[in-house]
Amino acid sequence: DTAVSQTPKYLVTQMGNDKSIKCEQNLGHDTMYWYKQDSKKFLKIMFSYNNKELIINETVPNRFSPKSPDKAHLNLHINSLELGDSAVYFCASSHRERTPYNEQFFGPGTRLTVL
Amino acid sequence: AQSVTQLGSHVSVSEGALVLLRCNYSSSVPPYLFWYVQYPNQGLQLLLKYTTGATLVKGINGFEAEFKKSETSFHLTKPSAHMSDAAEYFCAVSVKEYGNKLVFGAGTILRVKS
Repeated sequence: DTAVSQTPKYLVTQMGNDKSIKCEQNLGHDTMYWYKQDSKKFLKIMFSYNNKELIINETVPNRFSPKSPDKAHLNLHINSLELGDSAVYFCASSHRERTPYNEQFFGPGTRLTVL
Repeated sequence: AQSVTQLGSHVSVSEGALVLLRCNYSSSVPPYLFWYVQYPNQGLQLLLKYTTGATLVKGINGFEAEFKKSETSFHLTKPSAHMSDAAEYFCAVSVKEYGNKLVFGAGTILRVKS
């Protein structure tokens, strides 16, 4: 009965590879997000989708491409991985209509290590 | 644009002592304010939120926070610290006019000494 789930939990890969992280929520929310938490624990939003439409796209390299096949899923694909991409990536979701103040529920995170 | 400043990257208290974690925000419009807690190797859990109405809000695990518009502050308190409160705490602001995105502070690590 996990609310926001992410797979994988850990991802270790070589520089230059392409990888994907998946996120699913079963809360019936209409908005999903990707955040990056760097080594200093600073959290920054990357993308947000509302009803499968991209609504927030922060200054993120083009190598990062989110995809939302439906309201319950938001995946993150990263091309040509670089050392600086090593971080913990968090998925979150909220219901913008029900909670206009945007209370977000977070997944457990995916720790990406690029060697 | 909105921003959040958390004073003190590390706070250490004795078990049973008052916990005070400071958060100041910058926003040109009335904000929505949140405190999240992150335990080691886990995701973020919402502690409490201020949206409208009563400025003193109570959250889980005995925490509360007071929204002070004149001071642009939203400090988190707990009367008596418990060992299980040791974690990292993040203050965040959400502003409707900016797509309701959450902007986080840098976090404060709370250490509880026995």
